[in-house]
Amino acid sequence: SAVISQKPSRDICQRGTSLTIQCQVDSQVTMMFWYRQQPGQSLTLIATANQGSEATYESGFVIDKFPISRPNLTFSTLTVSNMSPEDSSIYLCSVEGGGASNYGYTFGSGTRLTVV
Amino acid sequence: SQQGEEDPQALSIQEGENATMNCSYKTSINNLQWYRQNSGRGLVHLILIRSNEREKHSGRLRVTLDTSKKSSSLLITASRAADTASYFCATMDTGRRALTFGSGTRLQVQP
Repeated sequence: SAVISQKPSRDICQRGTSLTIQCQVDSQVTMMFWYRQQPGQSLTLIATANQGSEATYESGFVIDKFPISRPNLTFSTLTVSNMSPEDSSIYLCSVEGGGASNYGYTFGSGTRLTVV
Repeated sequence: SQQGEEDPQALSIQEGENATMNCSYKTSINNLQWYRQNSGRGLVHLILIRSNEREKHSGRLRVTLDTSKKSSSLLITASRAADTASYFCATMDTGRRALTFGSGTRLQVQP
């Protein structure tokens, strides 16, 4: 099953700045998914990242605010730009495969972002 | 967007008791999955049930799926304090590869 290394695990950032979150997978994967989890809430899909093409964003999320890179089949980054306190959330990346039955999805350990 | 609701939102039980969580969804699905999250960290996949299956077991976990009612339940038998976590259902909707998550149930198992 896939193993994901996600960095940083947490950060405290000033409003107006940007933070880039990295996910490294130990195997090649076609799609990587980025989620946001606001405090006390469930996970919401931000975008799907395919290697070699632009990411596909969900309604309510735009590339200027959450630019994504996918330079190869094992790596992706999500940048949270021009941050405000409302961006304080846990951000998680995910790939297909792994899990109890090898058909579930594997998640990174998450990045807990606090914007002050 | 949020797929649907889970109930209860929070559940507190004693060690050894069974815990049942319910999930509803709104669309046509390929499969439904359950995940556990400890203390706001990464999610751990627990079990997957396909749309043509009605019941599945894995260890102390039992999941059911009723596609006519667009609902699923997760039963954890003989709960342990270590089962304390948030539990989320997630659907793989027809035509999509990304998961859509339910609202989650916070389970507290008292020792």
